[in-house]
This record gives sequence, C-alpha cells and structure tokens, in this order.
Amino acid sequence: QVHLVESGGGLVKPGGSLRLSCAASGFRFGDYYMRWIRQAPGKGLEWVACTSTSGRTTYYAESLKDRFTISRDNDKNLVYLQMNSLRPDDTATYYCAKDLGGGACDIWGQGTMVTVSS
Amino acid sequence: SSELTQALSASVALGQTARITCQGDDIATTNVHWYQQRPGLAPILLIYGNNNRPSGIPDRFSVSNSGNTATLTISRAQAGDEADYYCQLYDGGPVVFGGGTKLTVL
Repeated sequence: QVHLVESGGGLVKPGGSLRLSCAASGFRFGDYYMRWIRQAPGKGLEWVACTSTSGRTTYYAESLKDRFTISRDNDKNLVYLQMNSLRPDDTATYYCAKDLGGGACDIWGQGTMVTVSS
Repeated sequence: SSELTQALSASVALGQTARITCQGDDIATTNVHWYQQRPGLAPILLIYGNNNRPSGIPDRFSVSNSGNTATLTISRAQAGDEADYYCQLYDGGPVVFGGGTKLTVL
C-alpha cells in the first residue's frame, strides 16, 4: 500500500529551526519527484518546495527559498524539509506529496503541524 | 509568477450539477490539476491533466478548459462532495494552487 508519513512537527519559537521528515513506502521512491505543501489554519494550500528524483534539482516557493531546504535520501525512502529562521506565519500543517508527473500530487501524507510561537 | 483565481464559495442542490472555475492566463494551454479536501483531511487528487481520474474517482467529476478558465464539473452532486476544491497548475517544477472554493451541497 502506498503511504507517506510526515513527522517532526511541533512548537518552535520564532527564529528557531525544525526539520520535517516524510517516510515513503509502497512505491519506487527514487522514481518520483517529491513535494512539500503547507496549509495555514483555515487557509488554502501553498506549495513550498520540490525535489527531483536524484535530489540534485530542487525548486522553492520564492518567498521561502532563503530559509527552507528540501532534500531526500533514496536509500532510506525519506524526504526532508529543513526550516530555519521560522516565523509565526510559517505556522501550518505541512504535507509531503508524491508527484505522479507534471506536478500532479497523487499521494499525500496526513500532514504534520508546525506552530511558531513564543 | 502565475496566479490562479477561484471563487471563495459555491453551492449546489443535491443531485444537481456544480461547476467550479479556476482562472489564470492561458490556463487552457497548461497542465492543470484538481484536488478535493474534506474537512480535517489531506487533499486528494481528483483529476489531473486532460480529464484523467485516479483510481477510485468517479466519472461524475470532469474538467473542461477554455482560454483563461478551467472548469471542474461535478454531476449528480452528493452530500459527500461537500468539500474544498483546489486547482493547481504546473510551471515546469514549481506549482501554483488556486485559493480554493468551498462547495456546499444543499
């Protein structure tokens, strides 16, 4: 069964850092781009970052590229999101998603909540 | 960067047809996908590209694109269709989401 499970969320103070992980199972992980998407409470979906199959090519939302870093470990079937200099407006549920191709995210995790507050 | 505009809300009577639009420059020429998100749950892919439905998505859901507008059509609306619907376009790496439309089934 195809599955994505995020972890690593929690409460962090403004200016702090957090690393999210997403464990994949049930598909050939190394064959697919992977994405992080977030959703602030009561708000819509916001794309965060994307990594190519090898991890050598990455893309970021323009407003986040200086603070967030996406990476992957194809041996462990994991994708990560390193978040630095966190701000209150980074508070959101963070989802990882498998890119079927052409940007279509066919598998989503359950999400992990990140709260940035003092 | 590209932007996609959706109405905040829409409503449909049970059993009738709902249409949810997504506007963006020349959207008909791009790769547009649609997602459904029920309250408290992760989004699910509803339709991708040219009317491709993942396994398990009924053919009551369809899309049409013309010029600057992509339209998601939900036929024979059911109570379970009450959800938020998002369009998304693929920009060769980055993707952009519309703001989402909350569909109420009356």
